[in-house]
Amino acid sequence: QVQLQESGPGLVKPSQTLSLTCTVSGGSISSGTHYWSWIRQPAGKGLEWIGRISAGGISNYNPSLKSRAIISMDTSDNHFSLKLISVTAADTAVYYCARTLRSEILRWFDPWGQGILVTVSS
Amino acid sequence: NFMLTQPHSMSGSPGKTVTISCTRSSGSIASKYVQWYQQRPGSSPTTLIYKDNERPSGVPDRFSASIDKSSNSASLTISGLKAEDEADYYCQSWDYSNVVFGGGTKLTVL
Repeated sequence: QVQLQESGPGLVKPSQTLSLTCTVSGGSISSGTHYWSWIRQPAGKGLEWIGRISAGGISNYNPSLKSRAIISMDTSDNHFSLKLISVTAADTAVYYCARTLRSEILRWFDPWGQGILVTVSS
Repeated sequence: NFMLTQPHSMSGSPGKTVTISCTRSSGSIASKYVQWYQQRPGSSPTTLIYKDNERPSGVPDRFSASIDKSSNSASLTISGLKAEDEADYYCQSWDYSNVVFGGGTKLTVL
């Protein structure tokens, strides 16, 4: 059974870079059948997809983030990472990582990590 | 890009049935599969429905879903409401490599 766990600093200063890691257990991120995604949720608000990376290392992002997000992967350690540059208070949120099951017409997030709260504040 | 619009909140009494809608603003609702997630307070979202109307193992058959091409919308129906169904519910789909979530519906069980 695949499990995901987010880790990283819970506090980031404005204008700096948010860096998070998602460690995957019970399955390999090198599996060609899945993508690996980041999703965030500001307190009391809805879910926002940030982006994803394929097993081959190809990433794709939500255009609303205006190229501030970078997702990478480390297959030797079976984890993938998110960097979000030039953060502001608006980036304060719970950040989730999730496996993405895919086909030509499917993008399905399951399972999700437990989430990590990141606060942007000086 | 498109949006998925859900009612902000809904309520129902125990034992009753509620239906949450999810309307796609542009592009066909049938063009890409719709998923539904349940999020209880303080927890991560979990899958209720995938591929428009399929339930993962372990999800009770009180939860069902469908899509309606005429209204370009998806619907999640919860029958036999229980207190434990009080949660936020999100629909989700995608297009042109961008994933979209509905704004979420807060369900209150009276």
